[in-house]
Amino acid sequence: DTAVSQTPKYLVTQMGNDKSIKCEQNLGHDTMYWYKQDSKKFLKIMFSYNNKELIINETVPNRFSPKSPDKAHLNLHINSLELGDSAVYFCASSPGLADPLGTQYFGPGTRLTVL
Amino acid sequence: AQKVTQAQTEISVVEKEDVTLDCVYETRDTTYYLFWYKQPPSGELVFLIRRNSFDEQNEISGRYSWNFQKSTSSFNFTITASQVVDSAVYFCALSVYGGATNKLIFGTGTLLAVQP
Repeated sequence: DTAVSQTPKYLVTQMGNDKSIKCEQNLGHDTMYWYKQDSKKFLKIMFSYNNKELIINETVPNRFSPKSPDKAHLNLHINSLELGDSAVYFCASSPGLADPLGTQYFGPGTRLTVL
Repeated sequence: AQKVTQAQTEISVVEKEDVTLDCVYETRDTTYYLFWYKQPPSGELVFLIRRNSFDEQNEISGRYSWNFQKSTSSFNFTITASQVVDSAVYFCALSVYGGATNKLIFGTGTLLAVQP
């Protein structure tokens, strides 16, 4: 009964490849997010979606394409992976408009290593 | 501009000591929330507390307490009688409205090492 789950937990790939990370939440939330944590542990928002609609896109390269098939899922596809994409990617969810500044609950993270 | 500053990069204490983690924030918004998250060595981000900008009451939860002072734009976190299990990176974050959703602006984190 994990609240926010991500797959895979670890991803090791070669430069230039395309990869996807999947996220699912069972909290009944309307809003989902992707955050990136770099090697210095700094966390920064990448995207947010509310009810399948893209709301925040924080100047992320267009090699990153989020997709929300429904409000419980938010996937992240990355094209032409670069060394600098190596990081931990966290998915999160929050209630949405019912509580616009509501608590965000995070998934366990996906550690992406680009060789 | 919105910003969160955690000036303490690393803190090392001996078990049973009290420790305070500092957090200073900047925002021009009048409505905002402040958060603390814990990231243990296993890597997940664990929510600890949320405090809204209109509620300056201090909060205590077991060995944890939080002191919110709008006058100094600070939201400090104290662990009383620290334990080895408290060893983690602690993040302070500011939630600001970003359209139909919010976004968390994180500080750089404080690594707390509790020695036995």
